[in-house]
Amino acid sequence: QKEVEQDPGPLSVPEGAIVSLNCTYSNSAFQYFMWYRQYSRKGPELLMYTYSSGNKEDGRFTAQVDKSSKYISLFIRDSQPSDSATYLCAVSYNFNKFYFGSGTKLNVKP
Amino acid sequence: DVKVTQSSRYLVKRTGEKVFLECVQDMDHENMFWYRQDPGLGLRLIYFSYDVKMKEKGDIPEGYSVSREKKERFSLILESASTNQTSMYLCASSLNFRRETRYEQYFGPGTRLTVT
Repeated sequence: QKEVEQDPGPLSVPEGAIVSLNCTYSNSAFQYFMWYRQYSRKGPELLMYTYSSGNKEDGRFTAQVDKSSKYISLFIRDSQPSDSATYLCAVSYNFNKFYFGSGTKLNVKP
Repeated sequence: DVKVTQSSRYLVKRTGEKVFLECVQDMDHENMFWYRQDPGLGLRLIYFSYDVKMKEKGDIPEGYSVSREKKERFSLILESASTNQTSMYLCASSLNFRRETRYEQYFGPGTRLTVT
């Protein structure tokens, strides 16, 4: 069983839509949760970080962790064409090793 | 601004060749990582290093080795390249787990390696 599962998409939405991206993880011992954004032909860059359960908001982005169901989500409000990218979730025990989902490709149409 | 650079963006090698991929970071990070990224499989950890001359196997180390002689440089070596090693290779660095902002990995732009 993979540590992190993520729907690969692609997900296509109109500009201004609310986007929901999700991952499930296998081990309840994970306590650090991250979302990375990867533009085409670039390396991933950190978008959001959450420790343990709960929500974290940063502008149009909200990261949510539900440890009881081992489910992590990223919500994007008022999506823009510039949000078109691949979004990767990642989990970690201790930051010396990270486990990544396979990524969801998002396309926001103008 | 943290910068992670990789020696080549695109590389084409023949089966059986020895291949060196170089990664350099300029932020004095302790941890460095090598991943490969394949469609549908995401990022898979090949090796990581948490200090000079220290290394640990990741999830898919077979066919690869690494070298970290200096803190800023982490090299990935394909001893005898094979076609199933055709992939995007990403290097990353981060602070030691005891430090603040240790959760953030900084990635290089990647090297797309094709083995023919």
